[in-house]
Amino acid sequence: GNSVTQMEGPVTLSEEAFLTINCTYTATGYPSLFWYVQYPGEGLQLLLKATKADDKGSNKGFEATYRKETTSFHLEKGSVQVSDSAVYFCAPPCVTGANSKLTFGKGITLSVRP
Amino acid sequence: GAVVSQHPSWVICKSGTSVKIECRSLDFQATTMFWYRQFPKQSLMLMATSNEGSKATYEQGVEKDKFLINHASLTLSTLTVTSAHPEDSSFYICSANPGVNTEAFFGQGTRLTVV
Repeated sequence: GNSVTQMEGPVTLSEEAFLTINCTYTATGYPSLFWYVQYPGEGLQLLLKATKADDKGSNKGFEATYRKETTSFHLEKGSVQVSDSAVYFCAPPCVTGANSKLTFGKGITLSVRP
Repeated sequence: GAVVSQHPSWVICKSGTSVKIECRSLDFQATTMFWYRQFPKQSLMLMATSNEGSKATYEQGVEKDKFLINHASLTLSTLTVTSAHPEDSSFYICSANPGVNTEAFFGQGTRLTVV
């Protein structure tokens, strides 16, 4: 089946620091990959996605590249802001077909200090 | 993007009452919806897969008689927490996918507090 392994948290950074959150996956084929974010007091929302190998997803200064050779989809941002403080979830690939079931890992809590 | 609407956003109820939570896909049809539970400072836990026109599929450890799921139409799934008790207090979230290999869209979540 499809699954992800996400690095352990929490992560605390100073503003403008570089961020990397590791995520590796196992999957059959090359399905889409997703990063979701949950800001304090809010529900989950899609942060970015990549639909095929070597594709790069980007949004709000965050980037993640779908690397099939290392089976990774690490989330990066060059300069984090206090407003980036949230919980980040690397979602396993959706299974192909009519139904997609997402089983989330623990998520990583990012705290950015001013 | 697609919209999934969940109602109510929060509910407080007395111990022993049943609470119904609705999940609607507003601009697409969803033969399958998913129900999650999230405890404070923890990740989402998949509770069950709601299937339109058939029985829901429950994850291991989730009591089907406690968490009743009804997926009566292609745009509506309901989760009923029967005889709720304080330990059922949690944040419940639904999701649905508008198509094959697409991202999931989540409801706003429902904060259930049982007193």
